[in-house]
Amino acid sequence: SQTIHQWPATLVQPVGSPLSLECTVEGTSNPNLYWYRQAAGRGLQLLFYSVGIGQISSEVPQNLSASRPQDRQFILSSKKLLLSDSGFYLCAWSFNNRDTGELFFGEGSRLTVL
Amino acid sequence: GQNIDQPTEMTATEGAIVQINCTYQTSGFNGLFWYQQHAGEAPTFLSYNVLDGLEEKGRFSSFLSRSKGYSYLLLKELQMKDSASYLCAVVDSNYQLIWGAGTKLIIKP
Repeated sequence: SQTIHQWPATLVQPVGSPLSLECTVEGTSNPNLYWYRQAAGRGLQLLFYSVGIGQISSEVPQNLSASRPQDRQFILSSKKLLLSDSGFYLCAWSFNNRDTGELFFGEGSRLTVL
Repeated sequence: GQNIDQPTEMTATEGAIVQINCTYQTSGFNGLFWYQQHAGEAPTFLSYNVLDGLEEKGRFSSFLSRSKGYSYLLLKELQMKDSASYLCAVVDSNYQLIWGAGTKLIIKP
C-alpha cells in the first residue's frame, strides 16, 4: 500500500530564517506531488506541483520554492521566512495516470513564523 | 473567475441528519470531491462524483447536479466523531482542483 509522510509536524521559526519541509511517498512510482497551504478559514491554496523529477510548476509567486530531487521526494523551502508564511502546509500525491485522481495527503506541518 | 461556495459553519445534533451544500462556478467540470478534515489533521477522501445523481456510501451520501453547478454531502445518524470540516473541491477543465473554504460541522449531544 502507499504511504506519505511529511515532517516536521510543527515548526516555530523567526522571521528571516530559512525553511525546509520534506515529504516522501512510498509504495508507488512517479506520483504527481503537491504542496498546499491552508490558512485559517480559507480553502487549500496550491503552491507547487510536480509531475516528475526536476519538474516543478509554481502556482503562486512568493518567497517559497520547491524541489523534487528524487521520484518520491518533494521539498518545500524558503531562504527567508515572512510572517505571512505562517500556516498549515500539506503535501499530497496522486496517481499520474489518472486525470481526476484522488489526492492523498500527508499529516501536515504547522508553521508559525514569529 | 472560479468560485466554490459552501457554508462556513453548521451545527447539528447527534443522531440527526445534516446536508452540506456546495455550489460552484468553474471553467469546465471534470468531477467533484468531498473531503473530511478533523482539526489539525490532513483531509481524507469521502466521495467523488462526476455524473449526476446520488452516490451512497454508508452513513454518507453525495449528490451532484452538473446543470445547476450544485452538490451536497448528506450525513446520517450523526456521531460526535463527525465533528470536522468538510471540503468541497471541483476538478476544472485543466484538471486542476479548485477548493472551497470548507464547512465546519459542529455536532452537539
